[in-house]
Amino acid sequence: NAGVMQNPRHLVRRRGQEARLRCSPMKGHSHVYWYRQLPEEGLKFMVYLQKENIIDESGMPKERFSAEFPKEGPSILRIQQVVRGDSAAYFCASSPAGTPGGEQYFGPGTRLTVT
Amino acid sequence: GENVEQHPSTLSVQEGDSAVIKCTYSDSASNYFPWYKQELGKRPQLIIDIRSNVGEKKDQRIAVTLNKTAKHFSLHITETQPEDSAVYFCAASITGGSYIPTFGRGTSLIVHP
Repeated sequence: NAGVMQNPRHLVRRRGQEARLRCSPMKGHSHVYWYRQLPEEGLKFMVYLQKENIIDESGMPKERFSAEFPKEGPSILRIQQVVRGDSAAYFCASSPAGTPGGEQYFGPGTRLTVT
Repeated sequence: GENVEQHPSTLSVQEGDSAVIKCTYSDSASNYFPWYKQELGKRPQLIIDIRSNVGEKKDQRIAVTLNKTAKHFSLHITETQPEDSAVYFCAASITGGSYIPTFGRGTSLIVHP
């Protein structure tokens, strides 16, 4: 059973460009969470999704950020018009159907650098 | 909403010593408390968890204790080894609904050989 997959692992964007981060949950998992981690800081919740539904996006900035988890394919976190302050590691985590809020399994993260 | 406080932020021990990391939470409805280990540049990995119906859980050199009355839980690592050096995060959540886990800010554990 493959773990949570994220790609790309590293992404460099110039200010004003768009960044697209992808997350494929573990097989059988239908809950996806996105977190942002700044250097030497904790995990900041951004958005919680189930297939075709955004359950909670309270941690996601209203401007420039969006997320989706379509019926088919990976979950995508999209950042438009990136700024230097968006540079961070973005982790997604998945949890099994039936245990929302329970154990989460993290992907390897995407390290976004905005130049 | 839930608030999780984690202490200390940095912990330095000698190899073979024990290490204890403590977390407090605010929402008495929280019933699931995982601990994650994150090595430098790597993903957080679940190392142990505890649910509110038990007071202690052990797995080899690591153990977690939970005091529901006081709303705090702790991670205990015995006989520390250099490979235990990492950042450890606690979290609190409520299972079974649309609840978001709340993480502590992390503890950087350094084990000196």
